[in-house]
Amino acid sequence: AQKITQTQPGMFVQEKEAVTLDCTYDTSDQSYGLFWYKQPSSGEMIFLIYQGSYDEQNATEGRYSLNFQKARKSANLVISASQLGDSAMYFCAMREGFGYNQGGKLIFGQGTELSVKP
Amino acid sequence: KAGVTQTPRYLIKTRGQQVTLSCSPISGHRSVSWYQQTPGQGLQFLFEYFSETQRNKGNFPGRFSGRQFSNSRSEMNVSTLELGDSALYLCASSLEGAGYGYTFGSGTRLTVV
Repeated sequence: AQKITQTQPGMFVQEKEAVTLDCTYDTSDQSYGLFWYKQPSSGEMIFLIYQGSYDEQNATEGRYSLNFQKARKSANLVISASQLGDSAMYFCAMREGFGYNQGGKLIFGQGTELSVKP
Repeated sequence: KAGVTQTPRYLIKTRGQQVTLSCSPISGHRSVSWYQQTPGQGLQFLFEYFSETQRNKGNFPGRFSGRQFSNSRSEMNVSTLELGDSALYLCASSLEGAGYGYTFGSGTRLTVV
């Protein structure tokens, strides 16, 4: 069965510094997708970044980048130049079911609560 | 472009009652999924609907059900509510195909007393 592990329940970072949130995954599938979501206290899950298993380059979206190491089955999120508004829960997720018309579901990790200090 | 809309935002129900939650996906998205989020269990997949058909189902009792309408709007129903059903219920919509992410709504926070 697919599994996502986030080993950091909470993290602190100084404003304007970079921070790495860890994520390891377990799957026997060759094709899969990895996602990071941000969940502020309001509850909404905000999509940050996506990495496909066959993508050769690490994904980047603005201040977010995904450090994808396929052999180690890790997909760490790097946030550069942290801002106070980055304080939130961050979830790593993997899409189970990847073919067209197969549907799919997300398997989530337990999350990392990030606090950005001024 | 409107996002995923969930109603109501907050709900308080009594044990034994039933509840219906609504989700309107992004226009053009035909896949709608539901997730339950609790402090103890985290985020768990409930079910997914596509073109009015349930395509995937998570490991939840039969008290949890859902449906999707022809306009892709979806509802989920929980009958005979239990205290443990108190949770944030999140709906997500997606385009079909590998690599497409899921856009989530703001959720419905259900409290069972």
